[in-house]
Amino acid sequence: DGGITQSPKYLFRKEGQNVTLSCEQNLNHDAMYWYRQDPGQGLRLIYYSQIVNDFQKGDIAEGYSVSREKKESFPLTVTSAQKNPTAFYLCATRQGARETQYFGPGTRLLVL
Amino acid sequence: DQQVKQNSPSLSVQEGRISILNCDYTNSMFDYFLWYKKYPAEGPTFLISISSIKDKNEDGRFTVFLNKSAKHLSLHIVPSQPGDSAVYFCAASSGNTGKLIFGQGTTLQVKP
Repeated sequence: DGGITQSPKYLFRKEGQNVTLSCEQNLNHDAMYWYRQDPGQGLRLIYYSQIVNDFQKGDIAEGYSVSREKKESFPLTVTSAQKNPTAFYLCATRQGARETQYFGPGTRLLVL
Repeated sequence: DQQVKQNSPSLSVQEGRISILNCDYTNSMFDYFLWYKKYPAEGPTFLISISSIKDKNEDGRFTVFLNKSAKHLSLHIVPSQPGDSAVYFCAASSGNTGKLIFGQGTTLQVKP
């Protein structure tokens, strides 16, 4: 069953805590992306990776970190430096030079 | 600076009628445009796209029109169905990084 998996579906973070959101894909897509959605707003790009072991900052990278050690995986860490982490986080993939991105089901992060 | 704007937060239409969702952009370097449909707490689903070398693309009930001189695109859904009720996002990209810039979204309600 091909697709993009994000886990967990809901995640709770305590003050000062780092949390990691998982994104896994078995589509064999080269590029992967992390977006954040806030209520009433569109999606904003946090980080993206076009190839293994390489990634670039998006528009709102502060307080986040990523790694791309495997083609299938692109985990996002929300660090304690991110002061407003409550949001819906979406992972996406893109195949080669084609522009269409395909999204996972999302993870909702809440702060306790 | 909002490079992609969806100025109508919501739209309500009757089942069987046409739904027209609009999107404006400011960056003339955008060369690819996409529409996504999103249900609450789910990832966006790709609907239809258009390259800047075209002015129309059609896929079943969905048609996207691009007016480059006006920096405007629209999504037409004919006929509208209650299952079309969702939030619709337009997105734009330029270059080969695949970075998408999203509008704020328009909530479509199709009434039976």
